[in-house]
Amino acid sequence: AQKVTQAQTEISVVEKEDVTLDCVYETRDTTYYLFWYKQPPSGELVFLIRRNSFDEQNEISGRYSWNFQKSTSSFNFTITASQVVDSAVYFCALTPLSGNTPLVFGKGTRLSVIA
Amino acid sequence: DGGITQSPKYLFRKEGQNVTLSCEQNLNHDAMYWYRQDPGQGLRLIYYSQIVNDFQKGDIAEGYSVSREKKESFPLTVTSAQKNPTAFYLCASGPGQGELNYGYTFGSGTRLTVV
Repeated sequence: AQKVTQAQTEISVVEKEDVTLDCVYETRDTTYYLFWYKQPPSGELVFLIRRNSFDEQNEISGRYSWNFQKSTSSFNFTITASQVVDSAVYFCALTPLSGNTPLVFGKGTRLSVIA
Repeated sequence: DGGITQSPKYLFRKEGQNVTLSCEQNLNHDAMYWYRQDPGQGLRLIYYSQIVNDFQKGDIAEGYSVSREKKESFPLTVTSAQKNPTAFYLCASGPGQGELNYGYTFGSGTRLTVV
């Protein structure tokens, strides 16, 4: 069975602070994808990143960075110099590499960035 | 523009009524999914379909029904058997069986309220 745990239910930070959202996963598959999605107040889930299990390199995209560590089954997401527009619910998700199994989502972390 | 359209955005249901949520995609995706979102519960899978005229139950299928008569459409019916239907419903589409599971595209959701 697959499982994604986002232990942080809610986080509040002051604007310009850095914040890290944790994601820990469980899977018996040797090849899989990990994802992060953002859900702003409008409700639609917005794709942020996909990482396959072969690639443990960290990735940076502007103020966003992701740290994938297979040894600890973690795929953490850091926002540097947070902004009010970053306020949203963030979901981590997992699926095997082939398209037969639906994505499994964590329960999400609600981030509030205060001006 | 390619994407997923969910309608209506808001829906009110009286006790004992069946209601149908619409989901249409023009992304030529084989697979479509319905998720339910409750506060603090994350996204839970209701039903999914990997191909036309076929669908599978997800984790919380009781009280719901679906059909997949066309590739583009995957309507969800919330029946009177669903005792607690008030929630936010998200539809998604993605690659089908045998394809790499590169992730989903989500609709903007339907908020269903029982009155």
